[in-house]
Amino acid sequence: KQEVTQIPAALSVPEGENLVLNCSFTDSAIYNLQWFRQDPGKGLTSLLLIQSSQREQTSGRLNASLDKSSGRSTLYIAASQPGDSATYLCAVRDTGGFKTIFGAGTRLFVKA
Amino acid sequence: DAGVIQSPRHEVTEMGQEVTLRCKPISGHDYLFWYRQTMMRGLELLIYFNNNVPIDDSGMPEDRFSAKMPNASFSTLKIQPSEPRDSAVYFCASSFRGDGYGYTFGSGTRLTVV
Repeated sequence: KQEVTQIPAALSVPEGENLVLNCSFTDSAIYNLQWFRQDPGKGLTSLLLIQSSQREQTSGRLNASLDKSSGRSTLYIAASQPGDSATYLCAVRDTGGFKTIFGAGTRLFVKA
Repeated sequence: DAGVIQSPRHEVTEMGQEVTLRCKPISGHDYLFWYRQTMMRGLELLIYFNNNVPIDDSGMPEDRFSAKMPNASFSTLKIQPSEPRDSAVYFCASSFRGDGYGYTFGSGTRLTVV
């Protein structure tokens, strides 16, 4: 059974700092991995989608990497801003079907 | 495209009442998913459809929950009778092959059962 873990659970950094959020999964037979952002009381906004054949994806100040063999993905945020404050969720879709398992998220707070 | 549209945004109901949540997926998306989010359990997949057909409903907690997708542009999630422990945010998401099966989520329905 696929399990997705995100570390740390919460993170507070000063504005301008580069930071890394971690996601690990137990079964490497995945179809894709997706990073989402969720603001308090809001829905999930897709940030980056990495297919199983890909190693990384980039969008603006965000870069996500995928290492299937080790069951890990990282989300790198460059030059963090207070507007980046939110919960970041990692989601893994298995190859065996279309169930996507979500991590519990990392709550990020960027201080001005 | 307006994205995935859910209604209502908020619902407060009394225990024992029937609740119906609605979702309109993105046009052209052939997969539709219902998720429930709580502080204790995070995001849980309840059921998903492919081409309007329910594929996996193993996440539906009890017989009190049912979901339908009568056509490609509309789905409902019904709870009858509702209980306080059903209080959560319910999300609908849709997906299709053309974008690598990435998910697009709706804004959610916050359900409170008193």
